[in-house]
Amino acid sequence: NAGVTQTPKFRVLKTGQSMTLLCAQDMNHEYMYWYRQDPGMGLRLIHYSVGEGTTAKGEVPDGYNVSRLKKQNFLLGLESAAPSQTSVYFCASSYEILIDTQYFGPGTRLTVL
Amino acid sequence: KQEVTQIPAALSVPEGENLVLNCSFTDSAIYNLQWFRQDPGKGLTSLLLIQSSQREQTSGRLNASLDKSSGRSTLYIAASQPGDSATYLCAVRPRNSGNTPLVFGKGTRLSVIA
Repeated sequence: NAGVTQTPKFRVLKTGQSMTLLCAQDMNHEYMYWYRQDPGMGLRLIHYSVGEGTTAKGEVPDGYNVSRLKKQNFLLGLESAAPSQTSVYFCASSYEILIDTQYFGPGTRLTVL
Repeated sequence: KQEVTQIPAALSVPEGENLVLNCSFTDSAIYNLQWFRQDPGKGLTSLLLIQSSQREQTSGRLNASLDKSSGRSTLYIAASQPGDSATYLCAVRPRNSGNTPLVFGKGTRLSVIA
């Protein structure tokens, strides 16, 4: 039982490049989330999903797209990376959205030059 | 809009000391409050989850309390150890969340000195 895993762990992009971050969970959770964590800003929700095939915008969705084609996977895409997207990205999942805890992955450190 | 504040931002204590971390939130309409631990370069690990109907939760040397009406929670760590050094984050699940299922504080960075 690996919990929540994220790929890759580190990445450096040039401005304008695109990439996809992959999150996978093996706990059969319905709900999945993408956060970014920046110094002095705390954790902010980018997008989330309440089930396979569904996605919803979080607090800071601009510049990102997501897909949840399979229940266990949640993909975060950057179509045209900008330096402002330099951050640490965390994926999380939960069984229920209202009263359950969220389980976090180890993070992806992304630098956009 | 729900806001979560954690004071202090950083704390350094000698090993063995009992300590309290504070969390305050602006809107008492919440489902629950959670405390997380984050080690440097790592993800978050859930420590304690307090539902809105509960007053406290305990796990080992950790005790978290919730006073929903005053918008406050505390995390009490007994007999602190160097291994407790980490950043502790508080998060609330608002009832009127809009597009933010969890609202996080910015954390308290704890250093326990041997």
